[in-house]
This record gives sequence, C-alpha cells and structure tokens, in this order.
Amino acid sequence: AQSVAQPEDQVNVAEGNPLTVKCTYSVSGNPYLFWYVQYPNRGLQFLLKYITGDNLVKGSYGFEAEFNKSQTSFHLKKPSALVSDSALYFCAVRAWYSSASKIIFGSGTRLSIRP
Amino acid sequence: NAGVMQNPRHLVRRRGQEARLRCSPMKGHSHVYWYRQLPEEGLKFMVYLQKENIIDESGMPKERFSAEFPKEGPSILRIQQVVRGDSAAYFCASSPGRVSQTLYQETDTQYFGPGTRLTVL
Repeated sequence: AQSVAQPEDQVNVAEGNPLTVKCTYSVSGNPYLFWYVQYPNRGLQFLLKYITGDNLVKGSYGFEAEFNKSQTSFHLKKPSALVSDSALYFCAVRAWYSSASKIIFGSGTRLSIRP
Repeated sequence: NAGVMQNPRHLVRRRGQEARLRCSPMKGHSHVYWYRQLPEEGLKFMVYLQKENIIDESGMPKERFSAEFPKEGPSILRIQQVVRGDSAAYFCASSPGRVSQTLYQETDTQYFGPGTRLTVL
C-alpha cells in the first residue's frame, strides 16, 4: 500500500540547535514528496517539495529536506531552530493510481522549540 | 491573488442538522481537494474534484457526505444529519491542474484554505 510515515509524534529541540523531523514513504513510481506546516487554528502552509533533481531541497523559513531514495526517506531539517518554528509538521507524498493521483499525508509531528 | 477561501470559518450545528462548507479555490485553479482533521490528528483525504467532476471520492463516508464543484461557484462539502463524530476541522486545498506521472509540472502543489471548524452539539 502507498503510504507515508512520521515515526515521531513529538520532537523537542532547544532554540539554536539543529532539528530533524523524520519522514519515510512507500509509493509506486517516482515519489513526489512535500512538507507542510500547520500553526494553531490555521490551515496548512506549503514548505517545500521534491519532484526531481538535487536531493537536497531548500524551502521556506530556512527549512530544507533531504531525499534519500535508498532509505525511502525525506527528513525535514533546519540548522538552527527558532521558537517560532514550534508547530505541527506534515510530510506528504503523491500516490499514483490507475486513473488518478492524490496526496497522502502523514500523521504529523509536533515540533516544540524551547527557549 | 487571493488564496484559497473557505467559509464559514466556524460552524455550529445540532445533531440531525445539515452542514454546508464552501471552498473557493485560488484563481486559475481547477482542482479541489477536501480533507478532514480530527483534533490532534493528521489529515485524512476525503474527495478530489475537478470542475463538474468527482475524480476520487475514496475517502468520503458512503452515507450523509457529498461534494460538488460546479462549473460556476465554489466547491461545496455537504454533511447531512450531522452527528457528534463529524466535529472536526475540514480543509480545502486547490491546485492548478492535472499532473502526469512522467512529466513534472509546477501544478503539483496543493494550497490550503484556513479550514472550517465544525462543532456538532
């Protein structure tokens, strides 16, 4: 089955430290991968995506993600965390079916940055 | 260019009433997706529509739920005879157009609205 997994419900990081939010996927065909962020009582905001090309993708707010085909992973990273990065992060993958495609979202990881 | 708009932002209904949620996609976007998010949970895909067509409704409950995206006007998610378990945030997303598996297009990204929070009393 095509799916995406975020193994950590919560990630806690001190401000200024690097952060990683993990994501693994299972999809047939070429993976189209996305990261979104959700702030309280808001909709999802697009952060970045991988379609093809360089395995290291840079996105909004200083975030980047590394596509690793052999490990089927697409971890989100930031060199130095800010308190304002505290939010709910969703990894997503486009799943392909015979007549259509849709984006499958992970269960989300709550990132908490302490001052 | 206005983003994806949803209204109402908050909707309160009593059990047995009907709920209508509206979504206006971004200008130029012809594809609409509806998702449901339960408290402290991730997003669950419900339905994918293009103008006047339902492309994929595999995530929609078989009863009481329906969706449409008419030629003119917003997309509507309709929930009949609401129950307490329908209480959730409902998000709409839009994208410009069709994506081919073999042809990369900038059309692939979905842009989300602010959501409608439905509370069933």
